[in-house]
Amino acid sequence: SQQGEEDPQALSIQEGENATMNCSYKTSINNLQWYRQNSGRGLVHLILIRSNEREKHSGRLRVTLDTSKKSSSLLITASRAADTASYFCAPSGGYQKVTFGTGTKLQVIP
Amino acid sequence: EAQVTQNPRYLITVTGKKLTVTCSQNMNHEYMSWYRQDPGLGLRQIYYSMNVEVTDKGDVPEGYKVSRKEKRNFPLILESPSPNQTSLYFCASSLSKGFELDTQYFGPGTRLTVL
Repeated sequence: SQQGEEDPQALSIQEGENATMNCSYKTSINNLQWYRQNSGRGLVHLILIRSNEREKHSGRLRVTLDTSKKSSSLLITASRAADTASYFCAPSGGYQKVTFGTGTKLQVIP
Repeated sequence: EAQVTQNPRYLITVTGKKLTVTCSQNMNHEYMSWYRQDPGLGLRQIYYSMNVEVTDKGDVPEGYKVSRKEKRNFPLILESPSPNQTSLYFCASSLSKGFELDTQYFGPGTRLTVL
């Protein structure tokens, strides 16, 4: 299966700071997706970046993809308390088994 | 409103008592999937379906069954639940774009406790 591994496992920052989390994977992909999960709730899709893209923006989110290093990063700028959540990456090589990692738990302190 | 619904949201049951968790989506998505989430283990895929009557095992299929008789529904069946199936379960669906998995839309989750 295609599994993403997020790093760090936990991150605590002050409101207004930027938060960066990373994702590594092992096999070739068509796209990589980032999701957010508020405690105990369903995952919410944030952004999808295709294998031929290097960078993508959506509001305060910036995602980069380096297929040569098989890694991606998610940057949240000017963080808010409402950004407190767990963040997961999902590398996808097609219709196949999809396994999310354990996620990065972000805490934004007001 | 586009959504994935799951029922029940919470369930406490006993070992061996067959149960079904329903999942339904109203977005006409071909792809549907079941995950379980356990502390420290992340989300693991149980089964997925690429279309009606097409299902395949994920990483942790043991003890579970699925069926996909209609496009909108993808029930998860536990024929003989055991305590190690106590978990938080999520259903998800996604549009089909050739062989590329698109954005997955997740249901609200079903918290299952097996005593």
